[in-house]
Order: sequence, then C-alpha cells, then structure tokens
Amino acid sequence: DAKTTQPDSMESTEGETVHLPCSHATISGNEYIYWYRQVPLQGPEYVTHGLQQNTTNSMAFLAIASDRKSSTLILPHVSLRDAAVYHCILRNSGGSNAKLTFGKGTKLSVKS
Amino acid sequence: GGIITQTPKFLIGQEGQKLTLKCQQNFNHDTMYWYRQDSGKGLRLIYYSITENDLQKGDLSEGYDASREKKSSFSLTVTSAQKNEMAVFLCASSIWGKNTLYFGAGTRLSVL
Repeated sequence: DAKTTQPDSMESTEGETVHLPCSHATISGNEYIYWYRQVPLQGPEYVTHGLQQNTTNSMAFLAIASDRKSSTLILPHVSLRDAAVYHCILRNSGGSNAKLTFGKGTKLSVKS
Repeated sequence: GGIITQTPKFLIGQEGQKLTLKCQQNFNHDTMYWYRQDSGKGLRLIYYSITENDLQKGDLSEGYDASREKKSSFSLTVTSAQKNEMAVFLCASSIWGKNTLYFGAGTRLSVL
C-alpha cells in the first residue's frame, strides 16, 4: 500500500465544519482511499472510502482531487463525539487485501 | 450487524511468559487479522488468516504465533513477553476481497 501524509493534529469547535487533509502523491490507479477513525480504548472504525468520485454518507463527505494525489475528509457540524484520530489509508482493489498500513493519523480535538 | 470480541481486555504478564489473546467475530467474515498498536504509532500487521486453518505472516510476526481454529475465531500468542512491553493488540475481520475492516476494542498488554 502506498504512503499517505496527514497533519499530526487539528483543533475545532463544536458546530464547525472540519476539513481533514490527506496527501497521497504516489497513489496508483487501482488504490482506493479509505478513512478510519479511532477513539481512546477502541479499535479503528470505518468512516468512508472512495476511488475517484467524491462520496458522502451519514458520517462524512470525502472530496478527492481530480488527479487523486490528495483527498479531504469533511466533517459537517462536528460534535464532541467526533474527537478522534483520523487515519487516511490506501488499499488495492484486487489481489490480497490483507496488509493494511496505518500511520499515526490526525488527532482531531473538539472544543465545546 | 456483527461484533468482534477480544479477550481479555487487559492483560498483565511477566517477562518471558507465554501469553494468549483471543478474538471472536460473528460477521461470518473469511479474513481475520492481528495488529499491534504502540503509543503514538500506527498499526502494524502481525498475522492474518484468509480462511480457517490458513496463516499468513505480516510485517511483525517474529515473537508471535497465531492459530485460526475455526472461521469465527483467531488467536494470537506472544511466545515470550518482553520486559516493560506495553502495546494494544487489535483484531479485525473482513470479507475476502473487500477492503473494509471491522475492528475489536483491543487487548491492552503490560509486561512487568
């Protein structure tokens, strides 16, 4: 899996819309962009994923650059429950899907 | 929906001790994984299993054994606990060929 780069931390206030960036300049054509988040004392939780088109679900909106070299996870109207470490990772669509490389991620803090 | 259950939640061992961590999933997923997470670092793959009785080494398999006794369970053994070792061991599962992983809450290991 190719490498991703994320800021170590970001701060926000309840009710704001948060943009979490991820750089993946060496992404290959068959790699999906996945986002997971992790709160203390829990394992990572799936948030969303995409290949080329922007995607949206109940948790977040994923904006993918047209050249796919970067993406942004957008969290609308964050609450205290959204405070977590957010991991951006790349996964191949074919072959073995076993190896999954997580980096340190971005620690999102939310103030009331 | 399903759940992944890891036992025990907390494990305290002695240096040199053999320690076993257990993981059960009721998603009926084919593939199961063991990851290690150290404080301030990302996840590293220890072992994974594509199906019952299959075992594949990850990047961090030295010092560990694993066993996939049946489809729903995957055990990890620390063959000789290292003094002052502290880490979280995360179990995950997925459908083979699908890239979305579902994680357990983790087992927190401390070695005295």
